[in-house]
Amino acid sequence: EPEVTQTPSHQVTQMGQEVILRCVPISNHLYFYWYRQILGQKVEFLVSFYNNEISEKSEIFDDQFSVERPDGSNFTLKIRSTKLEDSAMYFCASGTTQPQHFGDGTRLSIL
Amino acid sequence: SQQGEEDPQALSIQEGENATMNCSYKTSINNLQWYRQNSGRGLVHLILIRSNEREKHSGRLRVTLDTSKKSSSLLITASRAADTASYFCATDDGAGFQKLVFGTGTRLLVSP
Repeated sequence: EPEVTQTPSHQVTQMGQEVILRCVPISNHLYFYWYRQILGQKVEFLVSFYNNEISEKSEIFDDQFSVERPDGSNFTLKIRSTKLEDSAMYFCASGTTQPQHFGDGTRLSIL
Repeated sequence: SQQGEEDPQALSIQEGENATMNCSYKTSINNLQWYRQNSGRGLVHLILIRSNEREKHSGRLRVTLDTSKKSSSLLITASRAADTASYFCATDDGAGFQKLVFGTGTRLLVSP
């Protein structure tokens, strides 16, 4: 069964550094998403992407965040200048309508 | 409560018993979904129920939806140790957008 894959599984970064999280969605899906889950808390929506543009974003997704689909397969989330509070699991998801299919996540640790 | 609140927060049962988790939400929805998350892993989609459906089955899973009460329940029958995980309900926001709003989750522990 096709899967959403995310790399790396764990990223450790110094505060203030840029980080890029990578995702390969399921190939025939049209909608792409990023969510995050701070340890012990809810999964929170960050951004959705459709037709090569952001379709919706949350309050969390401020100017420090950006998404890109640089080619036909990858979908990336960039955090320009990381803060301690960006430490979380970041999940990529894709779908046509619902349901959404999630990757295993990238654990981002900011030091 | 916030959109998508589950109860109980934690549930501990023996193998073979049934597990019931409940979810409440606040806004109108198009559908409600249940996901499972094993520790440190991603979210696995279990079942989707549309707003015009009242009950749905998938294997050992049974989901009900009561839109008048804005609530849903997930029943896992004949539980197994491998069912140990966190279970989340997730709703769309009813406005036609695709984002999911997740609940706080129920941590299920099934002991052999």
